[in-house]
Amino acid sequence: GQQLNQSPQSMFIQEGEDVSMNCTSSSIFNTWLWYKQEPGEGPVLLIALYKAGELTSNGRLTAQFGITRKDSFLNISASIPSDVGIYFCAGQRLNDYKLSFGAGTTVTVRA
Amino acid sequence: GAGVSQTPSNKVTEKGKYVELRCDPISGHTALYWYRQSLGQGPEFLIYFQGTGAADDSGLPNDRFFAVRPEGSVSTLKIQRTERGDSAVYLCASSRGLGAGTGELFFGEGSRLTVL
Repeated sequence: GQQLNQSPQSMFIQEGEDVSMNCTSSSIFNTWLWYKQEPGEGPVLLIALYKAGELTSNGRLTAQFGITRKDSFLNISASIPSDVGIYFCAGQRLNDYKLSFGAGTTVTVRA
Repeated sequence: GAGVSQTPSNKVTEKGKYVELRCDPISGHTALYWYRQSLGQGPEFLIYFQGTGAADDSGLPNDRFFAVRPEGSVSTLKIQRTERGDSAVYLCASSRGLGAGTGELFFGEGSRLTVL
């Protein structure tokens, strides 16, 4: 089952809004990553975080690695229609190659 | 193209049949992963190859699942005696392998398996 808890499960955005989502775990991860998946596609890496407390940006996306190493959040600023999709957080433990994924946050444009 | 290629994109089979799913990773990527994604869920790890050997197969659900990567490039995921619960999207990913950035995976589009 999923080891990471993502919230919210889904959100509706209006163009121009800032949106935020987060991911928590009961155990420590040494690397946090955020991926985005669109229908019929595989996940695509958005941001990778390697150090507790690290804040990293990629265009309008900003992600932070929580200082407890048990959480991470992703912000999208000034959202645009192409931001719709499913956003997954993923954690990787030290000396482990596999990723544990959350169940995803589905972002939809508000009509 | 230069990305991870998976075939078939869709496979419909009957319960009890054998299926093979193929993955062609990005050239030069030594690490290859198989994940399984059920509807409404995130990908779940199945198996990881470093070169030709399966370095971690702890995610394979049972002995009906097997994967090979004989020449360190293309990999095949094999499922015997398929069950309806095997229906999912099977994602393949590759990465540069050892060192920092091992979690930076490049995923294929997936093979959607439906077992009737």
